[in-house]
Amino acid sequence: DAKTTQPTSMDCAEGRAANLPCNHSTISGNEYVYWYRQIHSQGPQYIIHGLKNNETNEMASLIITEDRKSSTLILPHATLRDTAVYYCIVRVARRGSTLGRLYFGRGTQLTVWP
Amino acid sequence: GAVVSQHPSWVICKSGTSVKIECRSLDFQATTMFWYRQFPKQSLMLMATSNEGSKATYEQGVEKDKFLINHASLTLSTLTVTSAHPEDSSFYICSARGPGFGSGRDSYNEQFFGPGTRLTVL
Repeated sequence: DAKTTQPTSMDCAEGRAANLPCNHSTISGNEYVYWYRQIHSQGPQYIIHGLKNNETNEMASLIITEDRKSSTLILPHATLRDTAVYYCIVRVARRGSTLGRLYFGRGTQLTVWP
Repeated sequence: GAVVSQHPSWVICKSGTSVKIECRSLDFQATTMFWYRQFPKQSLMLMATSNEGSKATYEQGVEKDKFLINHASLTLSTLTVTSAHPEDSSFYICSARGPGFGSGRDSYNEQFFGPGTRLTVL
């Protein structure tokens, strides 16, 4: 039941910023945008999430458009270890309550090259 | 983040046998655990959701009698693939959600994933 659209693959040079887009035009007002990544043959790793404001943490920045219909995950200085499949997921989340299930789409295969 | 472990990391079994996969939350109590399956070059597919002490909720199309889930404690959930066949060969990943972490915008339950179990049925 993935409600997001992402490019199948992207390339990025090591040390450059990687900008991964995601469309979620049917997002609801109570749904957050989450980003996970999966390095080959490992479990997914949480990156960042947001509702409507831009967010930044030690791993990445998340830019959400004002209409919330799309977002961009930014890895400011990509390294070879950032090569992975990146999943953009929308899920229901209410403060202090349980969260909606995570349904994964196909994601974007990001390849960082030397 | 919190740590989730799985055991075994890989298993090979004969067709017709049953295989049990364990998922443990190591440093938090997981009120809810999720089981996913991932075939090669495909995305993760949610199989079921289990809450401690109650029956699992299976996603549409997942056979509950074939994929037995037990969530007997707040730190352990098991997935048993009964009468496994080659088409059950896959990467099985569990995820655990705790009662709540942090405060402010983070004051809700977050979800953490295990490293996965590679099942090969001969």
